Amino acid sequence: DIQMTQSPSSLSASVGDTVTITCRASQDIGNHLVWFQQKPGRPPKSLISRASTKQSGVPLNFSGSGSGTHFTLSISSLQPEDSAVYYCQQYKSYPFTFGPGTKVEIK
Amino acid sequence: QVQLVGSGGGVVQPGRSLRLSCAASGFIFNEYAMHWVRQAPGKGLEWVAVSSYDGSHEFYAASVKGRFTISRDNSRNTVSLQMNSLRGDDTALYFCARDLAAVGFIDFWGQGTLVTVSS
Repeated sequence: DIQMTQSPSSLSASVGDTVTITCRASQDIGNHLVWFQQKPGRPPKSLISRASTKQSGVPLNFSGSGSGTHFTLSISSLQPEDSAVYYCQQYKSYPFTFGPGTKVEIK
Repeated sequence: QVQLVGSGGGVVQPGRSLRLSCAASGFIFNEYAMHWVRQAPGKGLEWVAVSSYDGSHEFYAASVKGRFTISRDNSRNTVSLQMNSLRGDDTALYFCARDLAAVGFIDFWGQGTLVTVSS
């Protein structure tokens, strides 16, 4: 199975800051990576697929990059509504596997 | 609009069975693979199972293989998860989610249905 790791596990930043979350895969997954955002009491929401393609309606301040085993999610101009847990997930092969999540808090 | 409405959750004793269902609407159901993903209380996401768009292929997480069975009825736009020999660590919120078969990633999730395994 492909193992996914994320760092940091949590972060706290101010409105207007830029934050970056890193996701690593235990083997080459090409660009078969999706980022999800989950707010408390809500199902996850797909933000970015194919490592860097934003889903419809996703704000401009979200961006994804990377390929192979190293990926990043950047949130620029952080807003209060960006407070959430962010997960990466590989869909290169079954079983699909998720990273452990990164909790983003607003100071 | 796209909707995935889960049902069938509840409290069940260890070793017993439960069947979850997910009713889909607002999209062409037979063009999508369908997944179940679960989330234990306060924990992260764990992928459980997938049924291909036509039901001809299924894959399972090792933690549920041999105990859970995913199935779908494309005439009724539903996907189900039969869960047998339930254990305490199966306690979780179970989400159904869709995956456009041509691209392979989950792009929409239902609200989830809660399963609690407890004596």
